[in-house]
Amino acid sequence: GQQLNQSPQSMFIQEGEDVSMNCTSSSIFNTWLWYKQDPGEGPVLLIALYKAGELTSNGRLTAQFGITRKDSFLNISASIPSDVGIYFCAGLRTSGTYKYIFGTGTRLKVLA
Amino acid sequence: NAGVMQNPRHLVRRRGQEARLRCSPMKGHSHVYWYRQLPEEGLKFMVYLQKENIIDESGMPKERFSAEFPKEGPSILRIQQVVRGDSAAYFCASSPSSGPSTDTQYFGPGTRLTVL
Repeated sequence: GQQLNQSPQSMFIQEGEDVSMNCTSSSIFNTWLWYKQDPGEGPVLLIALYKAGELTSNGRLTAQFGITRKDSFLNISASIPSDVGIYFCAGLRTSGTYKYIFGTGTRLKVLA
Repeated sequence: NAGVMQNPRHLVRRRGQEARLRCSPMKGHSHVYWYRQLPEEGLKFMVYLQKENIIDESGMPKERFSAEFPKEGPSILRIQQVVRGDSAAYFCASSPSSGPSTDTQYFGPGTRLTVL
């Protein structure tokens, strides 16, 4: 099935560094969702975006709904070891019965 | 407010047996989604259900797999005559039926199925 282009696929960073990742699509979305998945667990919702141009923060996390409605960005400031995990984006299409498209994930590893 | 509940968390079956995975959505949620995830891969949509209705099963294999969400009780994902390739983590998600965040899915902890 269709998936979003999520990048980077993986990244190693030093503790304290800022992290940026993004999702892009050729389709327009009404909603963007960002999840984090720890090993052996289910994805946990981090941030939900409902409006083009919207910028929302959750602690050290900030996400933006692209103005074209075809992309979204997630930034993590001052990373810490517990930020390790897989980050998934999901876009909600404007049509169809099942509307969610998930990104392939960004695997984040933080070096202490 | 309890989150999405899934049980069992781990399930081991021999080839040819049946696997039943259960999902109780969050309170007030009437939309349930099932996903499959292989190691080091993303989430693959299987089926979308509302109470007593299958809304979209486009991601469900045509044979051996079925899902239901009865009027009372949890949603069930049933895999008949399991094969080794069915080994994966199966996640359930739910979303509300009304309100401003009807599109926001919340995931359960998953059931890890191992087929011997």
